[in-house]
Amino acid sequence: DAGVTQSPTHLIKTRGQQVTLRCSPKSGHDTVSWYQQALGQGPQFIFQYYEEEERQRGNFPDRFSGHQFPNYSSELNVNALLLGDSALYLCASNLRGSGGWGEQFFGPGTRLTVL
Amino acid sequence: SQQGEEDPQALSIQEGENATMNCSYKTSINNLQWYRQNSGRGLVHLILIRSNEREKHSGRLRVTLDTSKKSSSLLITASRAADTASYFCASRQGAQKLVFGQGTRLTINP
Repeated sequence: DAGVTQSPTHLIKTRGQQVTLRCSPKSGHDTVSWYQQALGQGPQFIFQYYEEEERQRGNFPDRFSGHQFPNYSSELNVNALLLGDSALYLCASNLRGSGGWGEQFFGPGTRLTVL
Repeated sequence: SQQGEEDPQALSIQEGENATMNCSYKTSINNLQWYRQNSGRGLVHLILIRSNEREKHSGRLRVTLDTSKKSSSLLITASRAADTASYFCASRQGAQKLVFGQGTRLTINP
């Protein structure tokens, strides 16, 4: 049983560019959350998707947007990249029917470097 | 901004000793969870304690929760080199998000 998968593993972009990160939740999961983790910090909640809609959003600007597909996979898009967007981006999923409560299963993350 | 605080920020002990990490949070919670992260990779869920529970055990892990003080502690007994990692507490303040602390970097010396 595959866990949460994310792609790509690493990514290097320059300021002003746009990036798309992808996430496939664990089998049997339907809720996907995205987190940003700067070096030496704990993860910060970006937003959560459920039934293809953004259910809640953290304190991130509109440059951060997302999407969830009918197969529950999700994308995180970041426009007009800034140096400060350099971080590990983590995706997490919750068991279908849990309503987002309980344990979140995390993927290995995508390391984004903005030059 | 993050609402959790963890103490200590870094901890170094000898293999076989016990390690204790503390976490404080600021708002009412539904549950509190502890995660481990190795070398900046994905987080691994360790244990969840609900707001109406005071103590929970899982193998070598013991977690306590004091909602009156808005604090929690994680005890790892009989530490091993493989326990070297960063440990994060995360408070659940609704179904949607976890609020993480800044983490404790634990080093187990052989």
